[in-house]
Amino acid sequence: QVQLVQSGAEVKKPGASVKVSCKASGYTFISYAIHWVRQAPGQGLEWMGWILAGNGNTKYSQKFQGRVSITRDTSASTTYMELNSLTSEDTALYYCARFGVPGLEYWGQGTLVTVSS
Amino acid sequence: SYELTQPPSVSVSPGQTARITCSAETLPKQYVYWYQVRPGQAPVLVIYKDNERPSGIPERFSGSTSGTTVTLTISGVQAEDEADYYCHSTDSSGIFVFGTGTAVTVL
Repeated sequence: QVQLVQSGAEVKKPGASVKVSCKASGYTFISYAIHWVRQAPGQGLEWMGWILAGNGNTKYSQKFQGRVSITRDTSASTTYMELNSLTSEDTALYYCARFGVPGLEYWGQGTLVTVSS
Repeated sequence: SYELTQPPSVSVSPGQTARITCSAETLPKQYVYWYQVRPGQAPVLVIYKDNERPSGIPERFSGSTSGTTVTLTISGVQAEDEADYYCHSTDSSGIFVFGTGTAVTVL
């Protein structure tokens, strides 16, 4: 079965960077795109960007352009989301999700990133 | 930037019908997807490509479109449907966005 397993919770100081991983299994990794979505406490879903696992092409939300980088390692069937210059407003639950014909059908379990001095 | 607008909240009695709208600001409208988010859980896809229902999603969930407005309808609402609902779509360049979200309360 399709599974997306994310790395564990992170605590970072303001100004630091965080890199969250998302390991895929149960399907052909390079055949799908992986999206990254976050939800801050009490806030709505926020789309960050996506990567085509096959060729590595990416698209980012204008809000995060220049501060986020999404990459993948096809040999490990893993996607990474790195966010730089963290502030307290980046404290959120970060999700990866696989985009197929039905949209974001499979989601990771979420990774809590806390930014605190 | 591309925006999708939803009503902040919808309240409905059990067995009644809840309708949640999602308005795109510009044409052409791309396909819209709907997600249900319960507290502490990952989002769940309930409608894709405006009006298609994934396997395992109850038939009471349906989607429709009219112009630049898409509607998620929950017919015969049940207590378990209480959650936040988000529409999701893309502009023509592949940049996606979520709607502002709608909290459905079952009275």
